Amino acid sequence: AQSVTQPDIHITVSEGASLELRCNYSYGATPYLFWYVQSPGQGLQLLLKYFSGDTLVQGIKGFEAEFKRSQSSFNLRKPSVHWSDAAEYFCAVGAKDSGYALNFGKGTSLLVTP
Amino acid sequence: EPEVTQTPSHQVTQMGQEVILRCVPISNHLYFYWYRQILGQKVEFLVSFYNNEISEKSEIFDDQFSVERPDGSNFTLKIRSTKLEDSAMYFCASRQPAREQFFGPGTRLTVL
Repeated sequence: AQSVTQPDIHITVSEGASLELRCNYSYGATPYLFWYVQSPGQGLQLLLKYFSGDTLVQGIKGFEAEFKRSQSSFNLRKPSVHWSDAAEYFCAVGAKDSGYALNFGKGTSLLVTP
Repeated sequence: EPEVTQTPSHQVTQMGQEVILRCVPISNHLYFYWYRQILGQKVEFLVSFYNNEISEKSEIFDDQFSVERPDGSNFTLKIRSTKLEDSAMYFCASRQPAREQFFGPGTRLTVL
């Protein structure tokens, strides 16, 4: 069965520290991979995407993610976190055989401390 | 920059009533989606729509749900007889071929 796993429910980092949010997936087909961010009461904003090509992708707000096929992972990173990055982060996976409907992970809640 | 819009932002209804959630996708997009997010839970796929028909649907999308593109701009989700467990945030999304989905701001549905 297709699945998306975000192992960390909550993560707390200090402002200025580096960040890595984990995402693992189980898909039969070559997946399309996404990270979305959601602030409280808000919609979903796309941070970055991977369709093909270079496995290190750059996104908005200084985020990047690396697709590792051998590990079925698509981890999100940021070298220096800002207080405004506090939000819920969702990894999502889509595939052609399911009409690119997105399968979301359960999300990781990021808290940034001073 | 073009955006997906959704109305209303908040809908309160009584159990058993019909509701229609409205979405205006980005104008040149061809693929349309509805998702829902129950409070505190993950975002779940409901249905996708292309070329005036449903292309995929999840187990959640039962006979109580329907979608329609009544004109060239709107995309609607109808729930015929709402249940308490339908209370959730409903997101509409749209995309171009082989591109990412753009999400609307959501409609919060509260069923009393």
